Amino acid sequence: QVQLQESGPGLVKPSETLSLTCTVSVDSMRSYYWSWIRQPPGKGLEWIGYVYNSGGTRTNPSLKSRVTISLDTSKKQFSLKLSSVSAADTAVYYCARLRRGDYAFDYWGQGVLVTVSA
Amino acid sequence: QSVLTQPPSVSGAPGQRVTISCTGSSSNIGAGYDVHWYQQLPGAAPKLLIYGDNNRPSGVPDRFSGSKSGTSASLAITGLQADDEADYYCQCYDSTLSGLFGGGTKVTVL
Repeated sequence: QVQLQESGPGLVKPSETLSLTCTVSVDSMRSYYWSWIRQPPGKGLEWIGYVYNSGGTRTNPSLKSRVTISLDTSKKQFSLKLSSVSAADTAVYYCARLRRGDYAFDYWGQGVLVTVSA
Repeated sequence: QSVLTQPPSVSGAPGQRVTISCTGSSSNIGAGYDVHWYQQLPGAAPKLLIYGDNNRPSGVPDRFSGSKSGTSASLAITGLQADDEADYYCQCYDSTLSGLFGGGTKVTVL
């Protein structure tokens, strides 16, 4: 069974960098894209970006200049860094597996709430 | 504002049929990309409910079905049950925004 688990600080100060890691229980990270999605409290889902096994990434244009997504297949982990955060970045952050071909998010982590506050 | 437009809410009595629309454009649904639907129960992560327009992952009841025509897609729930009360999101690849989500629809069972 595929499992994903987010980890990282639940509180980040304004203007600092949010850092999260997703640990994946799979046989191999090949053949899929590994993605981050967020959900502000009481609002809808927003795709942040994904990374694939070559280390290539694609990110939401609205966040692109602030987002870095990286992959460590030896540890079966991928990470998100979001710089210069503000209160608008307060959200539950999910990691998810994205299937190539049909671009469906077929497995999700449970999510982690990150609050941006001084 | 999401590029995929969903009604904010729909409701129905137990046993009834409800539908949720998802309207896109020629750069996503209209371009022929697959539409997927997710169910998010209160306090939980989203779960893939329908993939590839009208396919159900293993374990999803056949009360849930999807369809697509032109630049729009729909999710239908038949035999509405109390535990169907949740938020539902459509999602589609877009030529400029890979993981495009609709704004979400809250389903209320009356």
